[in-house]
Amino acid sequence: EVQLVESGGGLIQPGGSLRLSCAASGFSVSSSQMNWVRQAPGKGLEWISVFYSGGDTHYADSVKGRFTISRDTSKNTLFLQMNSLSADDTAVYYCARGYCRSNSCYSGLFDSWGQGTLVTVSS
Amino acid sequence: DIQMTQSPPSLSASVGDRVTITCQASQDISNNLSWYQQKPGKAPKLLIFGASNLETGVPSRFSGSGSGTHFIFTISSLQPEDIATYFCQQYYSLPFTFGPGTKADIK
Repeated sequence: EVQLVESGGGLIQPGGSLRLSCAASGFSVSSSQMNWVRQAPGKGLEWISVFYSGGDTHYADSVKGRFTISRDTSKNTLFLQMNSLSADDTAVYYCARGYCRSNSCYSGLFDSWGQGTLVTVSS
Repeated sequence: DIQMTQSPPSLSASVGDRVTITCQASQDISNNLSWYQQKPGKAPKLLIFGASNLETGVPSRFSGSGSGTHFIFTISSLQPEDIATYFCQQYYSLPFTFGPGTKADIK
């Protein structure tokens, strides 16, 4: 069974840093496209980053230069290092796996999601 | 960036009603459009991809259509367990973007 479990969220002061983790089971992160998607309280969904199986990464403009996506294949875990946090970064952060079926993969389509971890940026 | 819009922002219908949500993309995205269902306090769930393909295990009362810039999501017979917010999303190009959502409720 595919499972994604995020951790690392919490209350952090503006300007601070936080590292989120997403532990995967039931599949290998090394052979999957892995993403971070966030949702501010009461708001919609915002894709923020992708780590392709080949190693390429991309970011939304809103986090570029401040956030870094990475993975540890030995731990089958995805990470999101978040620096220079502001109140606008307050959100539930989800990791999501890219959709692959029968050797066809769709970049940007998400078939499995974690339960999310809440990041609150406030003084 | 491709902007996604949805209408209506919210809807209220009776059990058994046919419900329709529209989604518009700011440019041609072919059929690279998905629909997600999100229940309160839960992660989104993929319902439809490729504009009209039902994800495995999703009830057949859910359907989607459209191509290019205009898309439609339909629940043929609204059930109590369908109370949720529905988001469309384009995966034609980076950054992947979502519509603002449509909150569905039972009248």
